[in-house]
Formats: sequence, C-alpha cells, structure tokens
Amino acid sequence: DAGITQSPRHKVTETGTPVTLRCHQTENHRYMYWYRQDPGHGLRLIHYSYGVKDTDKGEVSDGYSVSRSKTEDFLLTLESATSSQTSVYFCAISEPPGGGTSVFASTDTQYFGPGTRLTVL
Amino acid sequence: AQSVAQPEDQVNVAEGNPLTVKCTYSVSGNPYLFWYVQYPNRGLQFLLKYITGDNLVKGSYGFEAEFNKSQTSFHLKKPSALVSDSALYFCAVRGENNAGNMLTFGGGTRLMVKP
Repeated sequence: DAGITQSPRHKVTETGTPVTLRCHQTENHRYMYWYRQDPGHGLRLIHYSYGVKDTDKGEVSDGYSVSRSKTEDFLLTLESATSSQTSVYFCAISEPPGGGTSVFASTDTQYFGPGTRLTVL
Repeated sequence: AQSVAQPEDQVNVAEGNPLTVKCTYSVSGNPYLFWYVQYPNRGLQFLLKYITGDNLVKGSYGFEAEFNKSQTSFHLKKPSALVSDSALYFCAVRGENNAGNMLTFGGGTRLMVKP
C-alpha cells in the first residue's frame, strides 16, 4: 500500500446522494485505475486514467465518473448513489506498459491502495 | 476479450503440505499473468508475474507459479504451506497489446491453511 492512499476509508450514505472517493499517490505513476470488489466477481475495472485529463471507461462504468486534474490524484464520483454501488473500491497505479521508470521492482505492474468500503442505504 | 477462471472458491490444505491454487486464462496474443494476495481488510498485494522467459516464476513469500501455454494455465504453488498464507488469492491477465494495461481478474480463491 506504500505510496497510495484512499479517502475516505469507510463511508455510509443514502440512495440518491452524490459521493466522491479520492485516490492519492506519491509515486508519480502515469496510469491510475478504479476497481470495485464484490464477492464472486473478483475486481472489476470501473475507469482508468493514462495521464492528466486522460481517462477511459472500464468494464462497469455506468453510474460512475472520474476526473484527474493532476498526476497524483484520481477522483471517482457516484453522481447519485444506488444500493447496487455498495462495494469495496480500490485504486491502483502503474507505469505504462513497456516503459516508464519506477521505484518498484517491476514497471507496468499494478499496485493497489488500501480500499474504501462504501455502503449505500 | 480477455478472461480468467479460478475454478475453486476455496482450497483447504494442512500446514506443511504443498499447495496449488488454479488459474486458467483466455487472451489475444501473448499473456501477461499476475498473482495477487489479499489479507482481511487490506488491499491487494503483488506476488509475482509472468511476462516472458522461464515458465516457472518465483515470487514473494516462497510462492511460485507455472505458466503452461498449451493448457492456458498459470497455477500458483508453494512447496510447504504456512497458516499465515491463509488469504484470498487473485489471478489476473492482460494481453500484450493492451495499451491501457487493463487487467482482468478471476473471482478469487480463498486459501485456508489448517495447523
């Protein structure tokens, strides 16, 4: 988890309210990702970013939006939370495939934050 | 499209015995394969990966994985299990031409090591 923090770590909210989760990295990695983890589904990619202001959709992007205004921060927003969005959300970082420099042993390996547990009532 | 199957929801093994956690994959082109471990209330920790080269990959905590191209498998192994190895294990894959470095994960296998 070193170099990657997520906030808040726990949140309970009500259906229909907006929610923003924050991922912050100190590793200067170019790529960042948001996943959700649900029992039996492993991790599923919501959105990812391949640079400042550059984002793209993942497998389960409906109901979510993201923003990346600076290298170190990647925000995930639920515009109007629903009970089906109750989950554990993980952020990950990596260097681009086949390139970049890294303080970690392997470039392009994804490294994960500690997660945010979100409950939508 | 890329996919991963972890056919066992749970694997039980006695401490000191060898363990195997199975993973099969489907991907276009050559695969990049990963194993991660998740302890309770923690994020995923990287264990090892296969990119190219030797089919037997060694990783953290004494784990290794064997890449088998003909069987499209990447099973995780350890010669002697410890109780502290009990955790949730995830296999992941991406194709070599996946410019977004997007991983597809299996559903996870819970490893229970009994004393």
